[in-house]
Amino acid sequence: EVQLVESGGGLVQPGGSLRLSCAASGFIVSTNDMSWVRQAPGKGLEWVSVIHSGGSPDYADSVKGRFTISRDSSRNMLYLQMNSLRVEDTAVYYCARLHDYYDSSGQPIRPSPIDYWGQGTLVTVSS
Amino acid sequence: QSVLTQPPSVSGAPGQRVTISCTGSSSDIGAGYDVQWYQQLPGTAPKLLIFGNTYRPSGVPDRFSGSKSGTSASLAITGLQAEDEADYYCQSYDNSLSGWNVLFGGGTKLTVL
Repeated sequence: EVQLVESGGGLVQPGGSLRLSCAASGFIVSTNDMSWVRQAPGKGLEWVSVIHSGGSPDYADSVKGRFTISRDSSRNMLYLQMNSLRVEDTAVYYCARLHDYYDSSGQPIRPSPIDYWGQGTLVTVSS
Repeated sequence: QSVLTQPPSVSGAPGQRVTISCTGSSSDIGAGYDVQWYQQLPGTAPKLLIFGNTYRPSGVPDRFSGSKSGTSASLAITGLQAEDEADYYCQSYDNSLSGWNVLFGGGTKLTVL
């Protein structure tokens, strides 16, 4: 059974740092694209970052240069290092697995859908 | 950066049919990228409802269906049930910028009257 369990959230002051972890089970993290998606209180979903199966990362403009996504294949873990945190980074952060689906003609679905989500971890940036 | 526009709220009585629209542009939905729909029940993580515009993952009732035309997509729910009350989000991709740009719509709150 696929499971994603986030940890590491909490209260941090503006300008501070936090590292989120996501423990994966039931599949191998390095064989899938993995993402972090966040949701500010009472707001919608916002894609934050992805690490592709090949290891290359991508980031939303809002976090580029401040956040770093990484993975540890030996531990089957996904991470998000968040530096220079701002009040507007306050959100529930979800770890998510992207999955390759194909249509009836065999063409890949793009973008890859998220088929599994963690339960989320709350990050609060406040003084 | 482009935006996927959804109505903030829709409502319907049990048994009725409701639709939720997702309007994009020529650089996302109109560029041929697929649309996914996610359902988020109160206090829980989102769940994949529709992928590739029209496909349902295993376990999703056929009361839920998706469609796409031009720069827009729609989610239809027939035979509305109380447990369908949730937030619904569309997702696609924007090719107008460099990098990897996944977009989510702003979300639509479905109220079952």
